[in-house]
Amino acid sequence: EPEVTQTPSHQVTQMGQEVILRCVPISNHLYFYWYRQILGQKVEFLVSFYNNEISEKSEIFDDQFSVERPDGSNFTLKIRSTKLEDSAMYFCASSDINSNQPQHFGDGTRLSIL
Amino acid sequence: RKEVEQDPGPFNVPEGATVAFNCTYSNSASQSFFWYRQDCRKEPKLLMSVYSSGNEDGRFTAQLNRASQYISLLIRDSKLSDSATYLCVAHGSSNTGKLIFGQGTTLQVKP
Repeated sequence: EPEVTQTPSHQVTQMGQEVILRCVPISNHLYFYWYRQILGQKVEFLVSFYNNEISEKSEIFDDQFSVERPDGSNFTLKIRSTKLEDSAMYFCASSDINSNQPQHFGDGTRLSIL
Repeated sequence: RKEVEQDPGPFNVPEGATVAFNCTYSNSASQSFFWYRQDCRKEPKLLMSVYSSGNEDGRFTAQLNRASQYISLLIRDSKLSDSATYLCVAHGSSNTGKLIFGQGTTLQVKP
């Protein structure tokens, strides 16, 4: 069964540094998403991306965050200057056909900010 | 009011028991609903979509009541492997695919 893959599985970074989280969505999917889950809390939407542009972003997704699909297969989330409160599990997801379809999640990147 | 609200549990049940989880959502414009399962520190995995007519997948039955803005999941003949957190999920009202997650209900099935 095709799956969403994410790298790295765990990223440890000093506060103020830039991080890039990488995702390879399922190949025929058209809609891409990032979510995050702070330990012990619910999964929160960050951003949706379709047709090479952001279609919706949450309040969390401020100007420190950006997304890119540079080569037609990878989908990246960049955090420019990390804060302690960015420590969380970051999940990438994708869906096909239309945005109402179920989303398939990657196994996540655990981001730890020191 | 939370956008998607669930009883966090935990629900502790013996193997073979039937257990039901409930969920309410606040946005009447939400169109699609799902139950996901999340094991400890893992990604959410789709369990099933939820339709107004009700739908069943093996031991799992999901129901949606749009008038009451209420979603349910019934698990029959619980197995040890059903132990997990069950996430009630609604699509946002925009057509961007944004998913809104409940906090999750924890199920522990004991031998």
